Amino acid sequence: ETGVTQTPRHLVMGMTNKKSLKCEQHLGHNAMYWYKQSAKKPLELMFVYSLEERVENNSVPSRFSPECPNSSHLFLHLHTLQPEDSALYLCASSQDVQGFADTQYFGPGTRLTVL
Amino acid sequence: DAKTTQPTSMDCAEGRAANLPCNHSTISGNEYVYWYRQIHSQGPQYIIHGLKNNETNEMASLIITEDRKSSTLILPHATLRDTAVYYCIVRVGAGYSSASKIIFGSGTRLSIRP
Repeated sequence: ETGVTQTPRHLVMGMTNKKSLKCEQHLGHNAMYWYKQSAKKPLELMFVYSLEERVENNSVPSRFSPECPNSSHLFLHLHTLQPEDSALYLCASSQDVQGFADTQYFGPGTRLTVL
Repeated sequence: DAKTTQPTSMDCAEGRAANLPCNHSTISGNEYVYWYRQIHSQGPQYIIHGLKNNETNEMASLIITEDRKSSTLILPHATLRDTAVYYCIVRVGAGYSSASKIIFGSGTRLSIRP
């Protein structure tokens, strides 16, 4: 248990569906992150939030829409996805985005399959 | 792009020390060396980090060469549960910028054999 939870753990959706991934951290951290891990590819950073403000948007298509209502919760809203978006989506949190040697703690991920 | 080079795979006998090398020849003076691992179907797990000096914690030891161009992660007594992909990452420690992003490479797939 890392103190970062993600729901659902598995999700299958059609290309016309709208779904949301949820991440919650119980660590009192100020920064939260979304990563994507496709099969046989390295983890890719998607979004970074610090104190509910987005500080990084790593050229992610607009069909992925993040939301950070407070420092403990992070959502990733999905709509009109493509089959190539099937991947493991990982959430992480850290004490802050600034400061020395900040360590990120990862959740277990949501395995997404787009049909 | 990842700034580190690691072997694609390694194996180690259970109970022996596992030594995982990493090359980071272009590391800057303000960049830290981090190690994470990812056990199958789980999120990455932080292991250890260091700047110049060798570091040790309850999970592992990190040996950084004097010129900081390479490092070795040591798992002193490997168990079957240490089977995972191990990522060596360099990143800026202070402040936030594109340089401080954690960029994962392909890592080393470590297999522990009974």
